[in-house]
Amino acid sequence: AQSVTQLGSHVSVSEGALVLLRCNYSSSVPPYLFWYVQYPNQGLQLLLKYTSAATLVKGINGFEAEFKKSETSFHLTKPSAHMSDAAEYFCAVAYNQGGKLGGKLIFGQGTELSVKP
Amino acid sequence: EAGVTQFPSHSVIEKGQTVTLRCDPISGHDNLYWYRRVMGKEIKFLLHFVKESKQDESGMPNNRFLAERTGGTYSTLKVQPAELEDSGVYFCASSQEGRIPHFGPGTRLLVL
Repeated sequence: AQSVTQLGSHVSVSEGALVLLRCNYSSSVPPYLFWYVQYPNQGLQLLLKYTSAATLVKGINGFEAEFKKSETSFHLTKPSAHMSDAAEYFCAVAYNQGGKLGGKLIFGQGTELSVKP
Repeated sequence: EAGVTQFPSHSVIEKGQTVTLRCDPISGHDNLYWYRRVMGKEIKFLLHFVKESKQDESGMPNNRFLAERTGGTYSTLKVQPAELEDSGVYFCASSQEGRIPHFGPGTRLLVL
């Protein structure tokens, strides 16, 4: 079975500060890992994905995440927060079936990011 | 290409009433998924269609929920009768085989 844990339901940073959103996963097989973002009153937008290629993955809006198998982690970072980054962020895992995504995504509980001026 | 669309965007109904949510996937996407997020909880998988067939419906909470995908195109999710705990955001997603799903904007359901 697969599961995802996001540490911290709310994270607050100052504009220009480092953003670090934590995600740990559990999977008995090599996983696909994702970060999605949901801005207020909008749908889910894919930020970035890990699909067993490079362990450091770069996404949109300056975000990146590093897959660490030994730590079963896939933390999301951004060097300098912008006010526009305020949103809810979701980590998700799915099965990697021979290089193809297998079926459903399992989501974490979400982390609400606030950015203070 | 047009994205995944969902209708309605918002719905407010009373307990005991029926509501039908619709999802139009991206053209050519055989896989269609329904997810739900109730207040403050994680986004949970409900079910997965491949064309018109239910591939996995392990996340459907109870028999008040009925999903259909006639003809393998759009899908509907009916809740009958609705209960207070059904309130939340219902997301639809679609994908080609083995590819990453694209999510729709969601339908925000409030049951009073």
